[in-house]
Order: sequence, then C-alpha cells, then structure tokens
Amino acid sequence: GDSVTQMEGPVTLSEEACLTINCTYTATGYPSLFWYVQYPGEGLQLLLKATKADDKGSNKGFEATYRKETTSFHLEKGSVQVSDSAVYFCALNFGNEKLTFGTGTRLTIIP
Amino acid sequence: EAQVTQNPRYLITVTGKKLTVTCSQNMNHEYMSWYRQDPGLGLRQIYYSMNVEVTDKGDVPEGYKVSRKEKRNFPLILESPSPNQTSLYFCASKEFGSPLGNSPLHFGNGTRLTVT
Repeated sequence: GDSVTQMEGPVTLSEEACLTINCTYTATGYPSLFWYVQYPGEGLQLLLKATKADDKGSNKGFEATYRKETTSFHLEKGSVQVSDSAVYFCALNFGNEKLTFGTGTRLTIIP
Repeated sequence: EAQVTQNPRYLITVTGKKLTVTCSQNMNHEYMSWYRQDPGLGLRQIYYSMNVEVTDKGDVPEGYKVSRKEKRNFPLILESPSPNQTSLYFCASKEFGSPLGNSPLHFGNGTRLTVT
C-alpha cells in the first residue's frame, strides 16, 4: 500500500541554521504531496504542497520539490527561527479524500 | 473565524465508561474525519464522513463509533474505552469534491484522552 517515510526526529538546530527534513514515499502512480505543520497545542495546518513532478511548493521560507525519480519531497529552509519549532508531517494523496501521513518529525530551534 | 472546534481538550476516564468527543465546524464543509495521533505512528484515520448520514471506516475504526446527523457536527463515540485508546485525537474537515491540493484539511486543536 501507499506509505510515507520521514526522517526520524527529534531534530535540534540553532537559530539561523539550515534545515532539511527528508521525506520519501511509496505509491502506485503519482500522488499529490504535502507538508503539514503542527505547532505546540494546535492541530495540523497545511504548510505547502506540490501536485505533480518537478513542482516546488513554498511557504514561510520553507520549500520542497516533488522529485519523481527519487520519490522524494524533502522539506528545506535556509535559516530557521525559534518560531519554526513544531512537528512536521509529510503526506500524500491520490485526489480522493484520504491523506496518508508520515510519522512526523519534531523540530526544536534553540536561540 | 473559520474553525474546527473539538471538546474537551483533555479527558481522563476509566476503562468501560462511555464517552463522546464533540467536533463542530463552521465552514459548511461536507467532509469530516477523525484521526488519532500516536508516537511513532503519525496520524491514522478512524472514521470519515462525506456528508450528512454518510460515514465510512478509516484505517483504525475498531472500538469507535461516529454519527453525522447534522452537517456541522461529527461526534466521536467510545462505547467502552480501553487503555489502548489513550491517544491524541483530531477532527478535520474540508470541502468535498475539491482536491486536497486546492482545499486542504482544516484541523481542530486536538483532544488528549487518557483511559486508565
């Protein structure tokens, strides 16, 4: 079945460091790909998305590129802030109502 | 303000005592869903509903019930809770028929349930 594999956390970085959170997927066909973010005490919210190969999603300084050849959708940010501390979920969807989530990666940014 | 509201935020109960977690959305969304979040397992779908009086099982429906008598409400019912249902629960909604890429899931803030 379809699945999403994320890099295990927790990840701890200093402020202004570069961030990469790896995400790869296994699916039959070409899904849409998403990153959701969960801030402390809150529900998940959509961070960015890409719906076809080579698309780049971006938001709040984060980027991720849909790589069909490596079945990956890694999340990147050039300079993280304390306010980026959260849990990040990679997810995929095939145009229906079901999202398949990864296990989440907890990110902590130290001032 | 557009939102999904869950209640309660925290709940501690004992094995076998029936409970209901409420979920309400004010966006007139057709689609609603319940997830549970557990460490190392991510989010797993419990039940979902495409519209009023239409509900379907997700990946982990055992031990749960839902109902959709009104469009805005989608309560999660645990008839006889057990300790393995201790988890963080999220309700979510979206417009039905619009691809997830165009109309993302809107999540509530979660309900942390402990069953002793």
